[in-house]
Amino acid sequence: SYVLTQPPSVSVAPGQAATITCGGNDIGSKSVHWYQQKPGQAPLLVVQDDTDRPSGIPERFSGTNSGNTATLTISRVEAGDEADYYCQVRDGGNGYVFGIGTKVTVL
Amino acid sequence: QVHLVQSGPEVKKPGASVKVSCKASGYMFTYYGINWVRQLPGQGPEWMGWISSHNGDTEYGQKFRGRLTMTTDTPTSTVFMELGSLRFDDTAVYYCARSGRTTGTTRPFEHWGQGTLVTVSS
Repeated sequence: SYVLTQPPSVSVAPGQAATITCGGNDIGSKSVHWYQQKPGQAPLLVVQDDTDRPSGIPERFSGTNSGNTATLTISRVEAGDEADYYCQVRDGGNGYVFGIGTKVTVL
Repeated sequence: QVHLVQSGPEVKKPGASVKVSCKASGYMFTYYGINWVRQLPGQGPEWMGWISSHNGDTEYGQKFRGRLTMTTDTPTSTVFMELGSLRFDDTAVYYCARSGRTTGTTRPFEHWGQGTLVTVSS
C-alpha cells in the first residue's frame, strides 16, 4: 500500500513560516489534499489538488507538489494555526491514504 | 450551507455490530459521495470506505472488507455505516465526509460530520 511520510512535529515562531512536507513515491503524479485538525474537532480542508485553497481559507496557506514531495506552507504563522496537519492522496483502487500527521507548535 | 450530522455515541461489546448514521443537508444529496473515516485515540485519520449517494456504489478499504457495510437512504438524505465483529481496537471516533460521487473519485473531503465516538468495551 502507498505510504505518506510526514515529520512528527514542526515548531515555528509567530510571524514566521511553517513548512510541512509529505513524502511519497512519485507523489507529484497524484493530487494532494491537506487538512488541519484541532483537538476535539473534525479535520478541515485547507489545501486541495496540490495548490488550491477552499473558500474561506486564508491566503497564508499554500501548497506545492513535485517529484516525491508535497509541501504545505503556512506563512506568517499565528497562534490559531497550532494544530495537527495531515496530507491525503488517492491510491488508485486502494482508496484514500492519509499521512501520519505533523503537529505544528507555535512558540 | 452544507451540514453532515451524525448519530450519537455508542458503547458496544466485542463481537457486536454498530450502525452510525450521517444525515446530509444543504446540497443535492445525489450529486456527491460520502466517505467514512475513523480516528483511533491519538492517531491520524484512517479511510474506511466510500459510498456514492448517486447510485449506491461502494468502495471498502481492504482492512474492513467483510465486516463493513455502507448504505444510503435517498428520501432522508442519510448514509449509514455498519461495522461488525467489533474488537477493542475499533474504539475510535468515526466521521463521515463528503467527496465525489463516482467510483475512484480523487476529490477531497470538503465537509465532515461532527464525529461519533464508538467505544468497544466488555
